[in-house]
Amino acid sequence: EIVLTQSPGTLSLSPGERATLSCRASQRVSSTYLAWYQQRPGQAPRLLIYGTSSRATGIPDRFSGRGSGTDFTLTIDRLEPEDVAGYYCQQYDSSPPWTFGQGTKVEIK
Amino acid sequence: QVQLVESGGGVVQPGKSLRLSCAGSGFIFNSYAMHWVRQAPGKGLEWVAVIWYDGSNKDYADFVKGRFTISRDNPKNTVYLQMNSLRAEDTAVYYCVREGLDPYFDYWGQGTLVTVSS
Repeated sequence: EIVLTQSPGTLSLSPGERATLSCRASQRVSSTYLAWYQQRPGQAPRLLIYGTSSRATGIPDRFSGRGSGTDFTLTIDRLEPEDVAGYYCQQYDSSPPWTFGQGTKVEIK
Repeated sequence: QVQLVESGGGVVQPGKSLRLSCAGSGFIFNSYAMHWVRQAPGKGLEWVAVIWYDGSNKDYADFVKGRFTISRDNPKNTVYLQMNSLRAEDTAVYYCVREGLDPYFDYWGQGTLVTVSS
């Protein structure tokens, strides 16, 4: 089973700043099979990024993903209050099981 | 628009059973694999089970194997999760999720809360 480790656990930034979230895999993950999800407080998760860097429908271009091998990154440019949420990476290369990282919480100062 | 609506959650005693349902609409239900993903209070996301578009294949996370059964009724556009021998650690919000073109999760229901407590 591929274990995903996200860092940092919590990120506290000011509006307009850039957020950089990391996801590290315990073994190589094809870039085709890495996704990111956003979960706002009290809501269900929603797909943000799939295939490492493709934005899902309706996701603003402030969100971008990159990476390869075992290291992947989600970047949120020009942070807005609506971006306060938990963010989870997920791999579907070696599945089942589909595995998630433990999440990064983004807060606004 | 795609909608997934879960139902069937509630409070149940340890060792008892519960069946969750998820009704899909706004898409061709019998063309998509469906999953259940859960989230314990204040915790992260855990994949639980998958069923292929036609029901021909199923798979489960190790922690529910032998206790939970996933099934679907395509004419009714519904997927189910039968949960037996429930434990306190099964307490969570259970989300019904559609698998996209590649096996990422492109649509999520709003979730249904299962609380296992005496």
